[in-house]
Amino acid sequence: GDSVTQTEGPVTLSEGTSLTVNCSYETKQYPTLFWYVQYPGEGPQLLFKVPKANEKGSNRGFEATYNKEATSFHLQKASVQESDSAVYYCALSGYNNNAPRFGAGTKLSVKP
Amino acid sequence: EAAVTQSPRNKVAVTGGKVTLSCNQTNNHNNMYWYRQDTGHGLRLIHYSYGAGSTEKGDIPDGYKASRPSQENFSLILELATPSQTSVYFCASGTGGDQDTQYFGPGTRLLVL
Repeated sequence: GDSVTQTEGPVTLSEGTSLTVNCSYETKQYPTLFWYVQYPGEGPQLLFKVPKANEKGSNRGFEATYNKEATSFHLQKASVQESDSAVYYCALSGYNNNAPRFGAGTKLSVKP
Repeated sequence: EAAVTQSPRNKVAVTGGKVTLSCNQTNNHNNMYWYRQDTGHGLRLIHYSYGAGSTEKGDIPDGYKASRPSQENFSLILELATPSQTSVYFCASGTGGDQDTQYFGPGTRLLVL
């Protein structure tokens, strides 16, 4: 079945450093790929999605490229801020009315 | 205004008791989902629904039932609560289709003693 594997956390960075959260997926279909972010005390919310291979998505300084050949969708940000502290989830869409698949989440803490 | 709401936000239950978690959405989405979130496991899908009257089993349905009486409402029922069901539960509505984007509620924190 479909699956998503992402960087195990927690990840701790200093403000101004770069971030990469790895995400790899397995599927026999052509899914839409998502990054969700969950701030403390809230439910997850969509960061951005990319429906097509070889395209890039971005939002709030975060970006990821849908790499179909490598089956990867790594999240990157050049310079993190303390306000980026959150849990990040990689996900892929379901198909034939199956539910979407989420990775285990990566908790990011950014120190000032 | 919040489009997905959950009640209660916090619940303490006793082992063997019945617990009902409620979810309401104003997005007019056909799809709705129940997840639990535990440290080290991320979001795990319990039940989901494609519309009023339908429920489907997710990855960890044992010990849970679901009910979708209307487009707006989706309930998760623990008939005989156990301490292992202590968790944070999230409801979401989804747009459906190949780009099914999920909109989550704020979560319900359940403690089973």
